[in-house]
Amino acid sequence: AQSVTQLDSQVPVFEEAPVELRCNYSSSVSVYLFWYVQYPNQGLQLLLKYLSGSTLVKSINGFEAEFNKSQTSFHLRKPSVHISDTAEYFCAVKGSARQLTFGSGTQLTVLP
Amino acid sequence: DSGVTQTPKHLITATGQRVTLRCSPRSGDLSVYWYQQSLDQGLQFLIQYYNGEERAKGNILERFSAQQFPDLHSELNLSSLELGDSALYFCASSVSQGSSGELFFGEGSRLTVL
Repeated sequence: AQSVTQLDSQVPVFEEAPVELRCNYSSSVSVYLFWYVQYPNQGLQLLLKYLSGSTLVKSINGFEAEFNKSQTSFHLRKPSVHISDTAEYFCAVKGSARQLTFGSGTQLTVLP
Repeated sequence: DSGVTQTPKHLITATGQRVTLRCSPRSGDLSVYWYQQSLDQGLQFLIQYYNGEERAKGNILERFSAQQFPDLHSELNLSSLELGDSALYFCASSVSQGSSGELFFGEGSRLTVL
């Protein structure tokens, strides 16, 4: 079985401040890990993914996530957020199951 | 634009009724997935099809059914609707059966059951 826990349902942060969205997973096998972002009234879009290799992965818009096998975590970070980063962020895992299992989501709200 | 098209975008219906949601995957994608998003349950996997055949089943109720047609579009049928079925239904597609896990999502069909 595989599962994902996103520890924070809401994260408010001021513009240009750093942010970390936490994600822990559970799986009995090796995993692929993903962060998806959902802007208001839109579908989910892939932000970044870890399949293998370097444990630090980056997106084109400044987000990064680090796969930590010992802590079974895949936290998402950005050193300086913008208003346009306001969205819901979903962590997802793919282990033994054919489909992705998503976390419950974290609403990131960037305040001016 | 993900390339995945879902219709209708919004649907309002009454309890006991039946509705059909339609999804056209990205060009070239063989896998179609259906997810249900609600405030209390989050994003729940319902069912996956690959090249016309059912590949995986999640938390899909017996009142719900789906199929994927030869042209690869998919339909999700929801019957005997209940108030609790009100949710956003997403379709996603991928090239393969999902070995790398990258899915492309449509904008969803918002179902309201009154």
